[in-house]
Amino acid sequence: KNQVEQSPQSLIILEGKNCTLQCNYTVSPFSNLRWYKQDTGRGPVSLTIMTFSENTKSNGRYTATLDADTKQSSLHITASQLSDSASYICVVSVYNFNKFYFGSGTKLNVKP
Amino acid sequence: SQTIHQWPATLVQPVGSPLSLECTVEGTSNPNLYWYRQAAGRGLQLLFYSVGIGQISSEVPQNLSASRPQDRQFILSSKKLLLSDSGFYLCAWRRGRGSSGANVLTFGAGSRLTVL
Repeated sequence: KNQVEQSPQSLIILEGKNCTLQCNYTVSPFSNLRWYKQDTGRGPVSLTIMTFSENTKSNGRYTATLDADTKQSSLHITASQLSDSASYICVVSVYNFNKFYFGSGTKLNVKP
Repeated sequence: SQTIHQWPATLVQPVGSPLSLECTVEGTSNPNLYWYRQAAGRGLQLLFYSVGIGQISSEVPQNLSASRPQDRQFILSSKKLLLSDSGFYLCAWRRGRGSSGANVLTFGAGSRLTVL
């Protein structure tokens, strides 16, 4: 069964600290994995996309990793800011592109 | 550049009333279009997708329907809303299969529906 699981469900950190969010998937055949940031009451916005051959990709303070063998991805946020408070959603697409599988998200709260 | 518009942003409707949410995409042609629903604290649930005008695929049988009267227009409708239809609805698009960037799913800003 194609599934995407994210952990933790929610996370509270202090401003300036680092954090890592996890995404495990069983989707096959794998095409790519994308991390989205969703502010409260808004649509998700893409942060990074990773294909099978990519291990690491950065976007500013966001760094995503992918281990296609273990089917795991992580999103590392460095020097967190208050504006990082949002839900982070992991999305995996299958090879024929018409299907996208979503994790339930990690809700991050950055406190001053 | 491509943009996606979704409206209304917020809607409060009584049970039994009709619904129409509209989504349009600009700056591209033949997009694949999607409607998702997001319940509080839950992942996105695919409701409908469309690969072309008049072509609608339904993922979950329910009280809702979708239509694509024009290439870049996608409408989510209901004849009679239920309390359980409350939620956050997201429209999304991507380029057609085989196109450059076809693996990029871009979302609208969302529509918050409250059924009372």
